[in-house]
Amino acid sequence: DAKTTQPPSMDCAEGRAANLPCNHSTISGNEYVYWYRQIHSQGPQYIIHGLKNNETNEMASLIITEDRKSSTLILPHATLRDTAVYYCIVRSPQGIIFGKGTRLHILP
Amino acid sequence: KAGVTQTPRYLIKTRGQQVTLSCSPISGHRSVSWYQQTPGQGLQFLFEYFSETQRNKGNFPGRFSGRQFSNSRSEMNVSTLELGDSALYLCASSLGWLSATSTDTQYFGPGTRLTVL
Repeated sequence: DAKTTQPPSMDCAEGRAANLPCNHSTISGNEYVYWYRQIHSQGPQYIIHGLKNNETNEMASLIITEDRKSSTLILPHATLRDTAVYYCIVRSPQGIIFGKGTRLHILP
Repeated sequence: KAGVTQTPRYLIKTRGQQVTLSCSPISGHRSVSWYQQTPGQGLQFLFEYFSETQRNKGNFPGRFSGRQFSNSRSEMNVSTLELGDSALYLCASSLGWLSATSTDTQYFGPGTRLTVL
């Protein structure tokens, strides 16, 4: 079973910030949170990962709560090309277990 | 640096046949993982190879097998194909093997679309 829960879908207006939440209440102290996205029928694309500090790269920002039980991926200026399924993942000894992800629709 | 490559990109087989899929990891990466993606089950982990050894295995029948060569390239084989094996098969590579606390990032290939008739 996936160790994360995400809303099945979200809408965001083009040009606005997209905030994608993820719950990982059973995360262990040394497990990282990873975010990937998958554009239709392509391989998942790595976005960002973090442990407990907020992280930012050229694609997105990752905000992790102090208790590490949840996180939010922020796409600062969403474009139509950001339409994809976004996966929040916590690794397990059995490898990466993907949940259902959040289908993000960017509205023009 | 070239990304993960998978061949072939598309494949059509009939029930009972076997198939071999190939994956070339990013140069320098020693871990290769395989995933199956179907509309009903989503992305499911098949197995991971590191330094030619299988490190982790998902919950799939023995018809699914793999191997890794000394140059880190990997192949996945499915024998006695069933209709339910129709899926997108994804390969991902990383520098090291994926323990639960590893910080190595996996990079995915474009996948092989297998259709079983």
